[in-house]
Amino acid sequence: DTGVSQDPRHKITKRGQNVTFRCDPISEHNRLYWYRQTLGQGPEFLTYFQNEAQLEKSRLLSDRFSAERPKGSFSTLEIQRTEQGDSAMYLCASSFLGATTNEKLFFGSGTQLSVL
Amino acid sequence: AQKITQTQPGMFVQEKEAVTLDCTYDTSDPSYGLFWYKQPSSGEMIFLIYQGSYDQQNATEGRYSLNFQKARKSANLVISASQLGDSAMYFCAMRGSLSGNTPLVFGKGTRLSVIA
Repeated sequence: DTGVSQDPRHKITKRGQNVTFRCDPISEHNRLYWYRQTLGQGPEFLTYFQNEAQLEKSRLLSDRFSAERPKGSFSTLEIQRTEQGDSAMYLCASSFLGATTNEKLFFGSGTQLSVL
Repeated sequence: AQKITQTQPGMFVQEKEAVTLDCTYDTSDPSYGLFWYKQPSSGEMIFLIYQGSYDQQNATEGRYSLNFQKARKSANLVISASQLGDSAMYFCAMRGSLSGNTPLVFGKGTRLSVIA
């Protein structure tokens, strides 16, 4: 297993277009997270899944954003009607839920979105 | 809610010297975990070290150690014998346990540059 993989690495789109990103977590991990990172900032939590259930969504996740993890394996993050403010790095992370506070996240390399 | 503050936007260190990256945190959770991640220019977040709030000893992982001062709510990362490959962004993060499902919250990061 090579870790968390994200596709594509880079995406350039025009304002108003829809985009979809994919994340493949480490195979035995049951939790999957999406974060967004803008230049000069730390990652900000968007949403996470435990198996196929989406357990929490941040207020940052507007109605234009939707995430799925249909079979509890890979996940997709779709942004509809993209805006220039959506330009950011979208990071996916996975973990195996054990004890609560020491849950270690393993991150992918991210998808860099540029909205023109 | 948890909050992480990293007050050093950038740090320089001479190769083979030690460097301390500052992190302070705020939480009302009685139990929490503190993490440091490294983000090289490739974008992937790499886990470095973990400290639990009830751990008696400061965490160490190879050249990384965490100077945990609970009363001051600080969790500084110490990198000994700096190497050129240590040049990267470093993020402090924390996770509380009150709700059992709090996501990892990150600071804004510190850019470390190691000089030959």
